[in-house]
Amino acid sequence: EAQVTQNPRYLITVTGKKLTVTCSQNMNHEYMSWYRQDPGLGLRQIYYSMNVEVTDKGDVPEGYKVSRKEKRNFPLILESPSPNQTSLYFCASTLITGTGGSEQFFGPGTRLTVL
Amino acid sequence: AQSVSQHNHHVILSEAASLELGCNYSYGGTVNLFWYVQYPGQHLQLLLKYFSGDPLVKGIKGFEAEFIKSKFSFNLRKPSVQWSDTAEYFCAVNAGQAAGNKLTFGGGTRVLVKP
Repeated sequence: EAQVTQNPRYLITVTGKKLTVTCSQNMNHEYMSWYRQDPGLGLRQIYYSMNVEVTDKGDVPEGYKVSRKEKRNFPLILESPSPNQTSLYFCASTLITGTGGSEQFFGPGTRLTVL
Repeated sequence: AQSVSQHNHHVILSEAASLELGCNYSYGGTVNLFWYVQYPGQHLQLLLKYFSGDPLVKGIKGFEAEFIKSKFSFNLRKPSVQWSDTAEYFCAVNAGQAAGNKLTFGGGTRVLVKP
């Protein structure tokens, strides 16, 4: 089954304690991205990756890092989490269609609370 | 840069009423358009998408949307809602490779259907 998986699904942590949220896709997509969802703001892109070892900032990259060492995995790293990073995080994997369009497949989400 | 606005933040309806959610985007080039739904406590699900062709798009669960290029709009409609349509709805735009395949979301519309 084609899917995007994220772990953990729920996480409560404290300010300054480094954490990693993993994301994995089994669709062999080159393009992956991370979003955060906040009330009234919809989803905003944090980082994206167009291929292995190619990553770039999205709209709200401050306080986050990513890596793309292999095609299927795209972990999100918070080196020193702060309370304003409390949010719902979604990983997405993108299918680029032959006609130049694209469609994103979302993971189940990770609800992060930083105390 | 592309942007998406959803006019209504909250909508309250009774069962069997008709629903229309507005979505306008700003981007001068070719776009792919999407509507996603997020049921309480769940992740995003794709309702429908528009890439090209017939501007009236039919999706799952009886939803449809109409792309009006001249108005930069992609409004979502359902003729008769059910209690189970209570959810948050997100409009999203992807401007393709020219914009890094980034999916830009509107702020979301929370829909409450009263039984």
